[in-house]
Amino acid sequence: GQQVMQIPQYQHVQEGEDFTTYCNSSTTLSNIQWYKQRPGGHPVFLIQLVKSGEVKKQKRLTFQFGEAKKNSSLHITATQTTDVGTYFCAGPTRGSTLGRLYFGRGTQLTVWP
Amino acid sequence: NAGVTQTPKFQVLKTGQSMTLQCAQDMNHEYMSWYRQDPGMGLRLIHYSVGAGITDQGEVPNGYNVSRSTTEDFPLRLLSAAPSQTSVYFCASSYSRAGTYEQYFGPGTRLTVT
Repeated sequence: GQQVMQIPQYQHVQEGEDFTTYCNSSTTLSNIQWYKQRPGGHPVFLIQLVKSGEVKKQKRLTFQFGEAKKNSSLHITATQTTDVGTYFCAGPTRGSTLGRLYFGRGTQLTVWP
Repeated sequence: NAGVTQTPKFQVLKTGQSMTLQCAQDMNHEYMSWYRQDPGMGLRLIHYSVGAGITDQGEVPNGYNVSRSTTEDFPLRLLSAAPSQTSVYFCASSYSRAGTYEQYFGPGTRLTVT
C-alpha cells in the first residue's frame, strides 16, 4: 500500500502567492526525492535530501527534510505560471532496495495570472 | 544520449489481448523500473530491476511480467489485458552517484483497454 502520504492533493493559487506541499511517511526514510510533472509530460527529478533537518534551495523553491526523516516539504515563493504541474515526493523505506521508490500521490498546482 | 525511450506512445487493446511495452535506456544505468499512473493515485511501482538478470515485484505486479536480459532493455508484458490496466505507463532508470538515485523517466505509453 501507499507508504508516503502527500497533502494537499490540489492547490490553486494566484500568481505571486506562495505554495507549500507536504510529504509524510509512517517509517523513517533514508532519503527523499522531489519530482515535477508538467501537464501531459513525465516526472522530472528536482532534488534529493539525505540528512536529518536538511534544507536546500533552488531559486524560489525551498526543500526541507524533517529531523526524524519522516516528513518533508516543498515551498515555492511567489509562484509563476511556469510552476504549474504536479509535484511528487518519493522515498525508499529503510531496508528496501535504494533503486525502489514509493511515490506520494502528488500535489497538483494550478496558477492563474 | 537519447535517455529513456518508450514505445509505443499510444496503444488500444481489447480485453484478453497481450502486448509488450518497450523501454530502453542508453545511459548504462543499473536500476530500471516500471510505474503506472492513474488519476489521483500518483505513480505506483509495478516491477523493478537492479541489474541484468535481476527483477523483483513492486506494489502492483499482478497481470504484468518483466525480464531484463540486457542493461539497456526492460520490456513490460501484459499477459491478458483487462480494462483495469487502462493507464499511463512510465519506465524509469537510475544509478547510484554519490548516494543520489535520481530517476530518469521516459515519455510514457498511454494504454487503453476496451
